[in-house]
Amino acid sequence: QQPVQSPQAVILREGEDAVINCSSSKALYSVHWYRQKHGEAPVFLMILLKGGEQKGHEKISASFNEKKQQSSLYLTASQLSYSGTYFCGTANQAGTALIFGKGTTLSVSS
Amino acid sequence: EPEVTQTPSHQVTQMGQEVILRCVPISNHLYFYWYRQILGQKVEFLVSFYNNEISEKSEIFDDQFSVERPDGSNFTLKIRSTKLEDSAMYFCARQGAGGYTFGSGTRLTVV
Repeated sequence: QQPVQSPQAVILREGEDAVINCSSSKALYSVHWYRQKHGEAPVFLMILLKGGEQKGHEKISASFNEKKQQSSLYLTASQLSYSGTYFCGTANQAGTALIFGKGTTLSVSS
Repeated sequence: EPEVTQTPSHQVTQMGQEVILRCVPISNHLYFYWYRQILGQKVEFLVSFYNNEISEKSEIFDDQFSVERPDGSNFTLKIRSTKLEDSAMYFCARQGAGGYTFGSGTRLTVV
């Protein structure tokens, strides 16, 4: 039950905004977002739980629509450091392991 | 949060050989995971370990794979007879207050 991410790739200039989407065909308990830079391990950004909470991290925020089984990651006023591959990971029940999407590659240039 | 340490950082092995990948997480965490990532692809779930037992495993985690916590702290992933397609980055992870903290990974190359 791999989540589906879109788009596959985004190219931005510094200061521009982007939205990355993650959707599942099954009901979700939680959605995680991670960023991975080339040659490094994924780094946790935020977790969203059932209840439609919107969380924030610096200029990065996310939403979780339980009914639509979707989450979106919002990157505003992008910086060069935001470049990397963004993965959403989903869990259908509490205590189950995350299944990750294929990732969205974000490239920010000056 | 404290890091998760993995050793070795890179291992080259011949096809058919056994390899053991090691992870040292913080001992008071209950949930640990192994994931792998083939170059340029997604992060794939292998197995989760809760309270010193396997709690969940994927279809990738077949009889060639095993996990152990031999001394209560180190956490190992063993591949008994490696295949070319086992070449990947292997990450161990622990679950903290929110998300997962991944180790820096072991790059396994099977030749």
